[in-house]
Amino acid sequence: DVKVTQSSRYLVKRTGEKVFLECVQDMDHENMFWYRQDPGLGLRLIYFSYDVKMKEKGDIPEGYSVSREKKERFSLILESASTNQTSMYLCASRVSSYNSPLHFGNGTRLTVT
Amino acid sequence: ELKVEQNPLFLSMQEEKNYTIYCNYSTTSDRLYWYRQDPGKSLESLFVLLSNGAVKQEGRLMASLDTKARLSTLHITAAVHDLSATYFCAVEANSNYQLIWGAGTKLIIKP
Repeated sequence: DVKVTQSSRYLVKRTGEKVFLECVQDMDHENMFWYRQDPGLGLRLIYFSYDVKMKEKGDIPEGYSVSREKKERFSLILESASTNQTSMYLCASRVSSYNSPLHFGNGTRLTVT
Repeated sequence: ELKVEQNPLFLSMQEEKNYTIYCNYSTTSDRLYWYRQDPGKSLESLFVLLSNGAVKQEGRLMASLDTKARLSTLHITAAVHDLSATYFCAVEANSNYQLIWGAGTKLIIKP
């Protein structure tokens, strides 16, 4: 079974702090994704990576950056956390194929105060 | 721009009833995914539909895809309480790796 592990289940940070959200997958998947999920807004793609050191902006990249130095790890960075970044963050991975579903981590609920 | 619309967004139903969730999308695609999310949990893949006329079934859930109508349906047969969850459809854009998500259908099944 694919396992996608997010480093924190709950996180509370202060406005202006730099925040790192880590995601690790154990199935050698090429593609990795970061989404945020907010009530009434569904899932919105922040960034995705289709290979090591490759990244593409999603729909809402402002205020975020990502890092993919190793195939199994995809990090989301909030450069200067703001209260409007309070949300559930979901990491996902899949093989590099148009036919494969995403496998999601358990999510990180981030609160910025 | 690819858009995905689900309806209804909220559905409250009795056990043993049948119902259908609809997923309409706005442009050509032949790859559609259904996911389930339980409260406070992450998303779980249910079905992958890859061609026109594709039908997949798992227990009381059956999903189908009509690429000509740009419509997928998720049919629930003789609902049971355990199927209470939020169901999402997602359509894969043909030109890149992105999935476009519906807003989700919150399904509550009352005993």
